[in-house]
Amino acid sequence: GAVVSQHPSWVICKSGTSVKIECRSLDFQATTMFWYRQFPKQSLMLMATSNEGSKATYEQGVEKDKFLINHASLTLSTLTVTSAHPEDSSFYICSAMGRTAISGANVLTFGAGSRLTVL
Amino acid sequence: GNSVTQMEGPVTLSEEAFLTINCTYTATGYPSLFWYVQYPGEGLQLLLKATKADDKGSNKGFEATYRKETTSFHLEKGSVQVSDSAVYFCALSDRNNAGNMLTFGGGTRLMVKP
Repeated sequence: GAVVSQHPSWVICKSGTSVKIECRSLDFQATTMFWYRQFPKQSLMLMATSNEGSKATYEQGVEKDKFLINHASLTLSTLTVTSAHPEDSSFYICSAMGRTAISGANVLTFGAGSRLTVL
Repeated sequence: GNSVTQMEGPVTLSEEAFLTINCTYTATGYPSLFWYVQYPGEGLQLLLKATKADDKGSNKGFEATYRKETTSFHLEKGSVQVSDSAVYFCALSDRNNAGNMLTFGGGTRLMVKP
């Protein structure tokens, strides 16, 4: 249980286009979702925290207008990289936190990540 | 603010060798501590955790003890296998204005040779 699906796993786009990455909790309701960015050979950097139905809280230095986060339902959050440029190329990872229906345990589960390559 | 420091890799070991990956942290409160593992091409998976001082987390032969006096959470395994080759991340959990958040260390790549 407690599976998080992230889609697409890899996307290549031209500079200037916008790319949307989806993060879905498949068998639990995610009250909170986190978006991370991972640079090559570096750790995960928290970009933003989003609670269902409210605006995302962005970490310092992360451009809100550049990285649009929507958490419209308890099972889906999206990250849109607007007007992507080569420097936005990175590995983006989401995680979701919520209680499982069966055990009621509070879980934190990561998606497999989405690799963005901007040409 | 919170921070996590772990030893730089890569760490290269022979099969059945003893593994230690050091992790120290700074935090304002009383965080929970975690080790995550990232196998090639996969997402992060929780390996083990400890929620209070002197707790020992263990899983798949890995162990780590929450040492408040030394602010450390070193990962150990007595006999590594080739299948343990992965990147290991130490992390702490604390609360920000929006709820819980994880702070990660830089990751340590482990390569186990047969």
